[in-house]
Amino acid sequence: KQEVTQIPAALSVPEGENLVLNCSFTDSAIYNLQWFRQDPGKGLTSLLLIQSSQREQTSGRLNASLDKSSGRSTLYIAASQPGDSATYLCAARIVNYGQNFVFGPGTRLSVLP
Amino acid sequence: SAVISQKPSRDICQRGTSLTIQCQVDSQVTMMFWYRQQPGQSLTLIATANQGSEATYESGFVIDKFPISRPNLTFSTLTVSNMSPEDSSIYLCSVAPDTYNEQFFGPGTRLTVL
Repeated sequence: KQEVTQIPAALSVPEGENLVLNCSFTDSAIYNLQWFRQDPGKGLTSLLLIQSSQREQTSGRLNASLDKSSGRSTLYIAASQPGDSATYLCAARIVNYGQNFVFGPGTRLSVLP
Repeated sequence: SAVISQKPSRDICQRGTSLTIQCQVDSQVTMMFWYRQQPGQSLTLIATANQGSEATYESGFVIDKFPISRPNLTFSTLTVSNMSPEDSSIYLCSVAPDTYNEQFFGPGTRLTVL
């Protein structure tokens, strides 16, 4: 069974702190991995997409890395702000799963002013 | 990128009734997905809807309960049939232009079944 896990489940940090969110996937045969942000009661906003051949992607204060061999991805958020408070989800597009995405359970982030 | 709209944005329905959710994309896409997000949970794929073919349902989801239409490359509907309170969820559609591109999501439909 394809599985994606995320650690920690929840995180609360003071404003300005750098933080790391972790995502693990059991099947290393992936096309790509995507990080999303979800605000309460809303849809998902795409943050970063990493292809299986890439090691990392950056967008502003966000940096995502991918280690396919170990089945891990990390999302690094620099200088966190209260506006970063949301749930962060990773999704792996798995070759042996009909090109479909498998989502992790998410990390709920609170950045305190 | 793709801009996706969903209708309705939310609804409150009675047990035993059906609701059809519409998903409109601003560009032609081959692959469209329907997800369910139950309260406090992550996303679960219901089915993949490709234009010109029958939807492919994931384990635990059946066509009689969640019929899907995909009449063209910019539009799809998901019907939640014979609803029960357990169907209360956010339903999201998404598109991916191809295997190597980002997946984009609509704003979701929040369904409450009484």
